Amino acid sequence: QVTLKESGPGMLQPSKTLSLTCSFSGFSLSTSGMVVSWIRQPSGKSLEWLAAIDWDGDKYYNPSLKSRLTVSKDTSNTQVFLKITSVDIADTATYYCARRGANWAPFDYWGQGVMVTVSS
Amino acid sequence: DIVLTQSPALAVSLGQRATISCKTNQNVDYYGNSYMHWYQQKPGQQPKLLIYLASNLASGIPARFSGRGSGTDFTLTIDPVEADDTATYYCQQSRNLPNTFGAGTKLELK
Repeated sequence: QVTLKESGPGMLQPSKTLSLTCSFSGFSLSTSGMVVSWIRQPSGKSLEWLAAIDWDGDKYYNPSLKSRLTVSKDTSNTQVFLKITSVDIADTATYYCARRGANWAPFDYWGQGVMVTVSS
Repeated sequence: DIVLTQSPALAVSLGQRATISCKTNQNVDYYGNSYMHWYQQKPGQQPKLLIYLASNLASGIPARFSGRGSGTDFTLTIDPVEADDTATYYCQQSRNLPNTFGAGTKLELK
């Protein structure tokens, strides 16, 4: 059974760094082709793909946010992390991690999401 | 970035057909595949994959859902619509990075 679960600080102040963790089970990120992505959704709005890391450690970023994003994974291939620097109110959103079997594939499993509020 | 355009809302009666469209500003076909996928999202829940590569039904999804299209024009059809289908539906392209999503179509019952 594939499951993913996001965790994060809940709330943080503008200009701080947001650190998110995606913990998953039921699949291995070391499997050829496997990718874990981060996607966010402001309340009442659509979805925005942010970043991804694949089975080989290659990283992919949305150019609109690339300078602020860092995606990484742990050596046991059971967690993926996302850091967003210099957050502001516009980064308030629900953040999802999702799995896909290849960079062209659909997101077939999603975490439940973690809500992050940026507020002073 | 590839832009996906969806109508914001659609109202249909129970048992009728709902057709949701998604148009892209660039061709999302490549080597015989259309890199377009559809998701359903209910309030407070994560998106759920319905259709992949334009016309393939995802695992566990009822056959009332179907998808078609190629190039820049795609549709998701629900026939017949059931009460549980009230949700927002998103299209997503994986032809290019960054992957992009449509703004979503909210399906309501008349």
